[in-house]
Amino acid sequence: AQSVTQPDIHITVSEGASLELRCNYSYGATPYLFWYVQSPGQGLQLLLKYFSGDTLVQGIKGFEAEFKRSQSSFNLRKPSVHWSDAAEYFCAVGAVNYGQNFVFGPGTRLSVLP
Amino acid sequence: SQTIHQWPATLVQPVGSPLSLECTVEGTSNPNLYWYRQAAGRGLQLLFYSVGIGQISSEVPQNLSASRPQDRQFILSSKKLLLSDSGFYLCAWGSGRALNEQFFGPGTRLTVL
Repeated sequence: AQSVTQPDIHITVSEGASLELRCNYSYGATPYLFWYVQSPGQGLQLLLKYFSGDTLVQGIKGFEAEFKRSQSSFNLRKPSVHWSDAAEYFCAVGAVNYGQNFVFGPGTRLSVLP
Repeated sequence: SQTIHQWPATLVQPVGSPLSLECTVEGTSNPNLYWYRQAAGRGLQLLFYSVGIGQISSEVPQNLSASRPQDRQFILSSKKLLLSDSGFYLCAWGSGRALNEQFFGPGTRLTVL
């Protein structure tokens, strides 16, 4: 069965600092990987996704993520965090033989200090 | 373009009362539809998904049920709410093709007292 872990429950960074949010997955074949962001009291918005090809994918709002098969990871990065990036971030795994059902990680809450 | 609506946005209900949350999608046809619950400080738990009218799959046993009376309408119901049903309920749709992302509605905040 698929599973997703996000080791960091809560991260605090200063505005302008770099950011890396960790995501590790467990799946027997090549997964399809997603990062979503959720502002307080809102739905989820897709930041980026990886299906195949280049392992470094670019997303919206200046985010990028790198797929590392050897480490079963799909970490999200941003070189310079803005105060508006404060939100909850979810990593998700999908698989072809699982239809379009995703498994979501528990989320990482990001706080940004001025 | 596609949009997804959920209502109500917030709901406060007493224990034992019934529940009906509605989700509708515009701008697409034959979508896959999903209900998730997000408890405070926790991730998303898939409750139900549907690949077509009248076709409902349940991921976890519970006192909730789902129905899909129309192609783009998905309803989450309960006959008697429990305190543990409190949470943030999210509806999502997907294109039905593998590899495509899910699109989420704005959510319903349910508080059971």
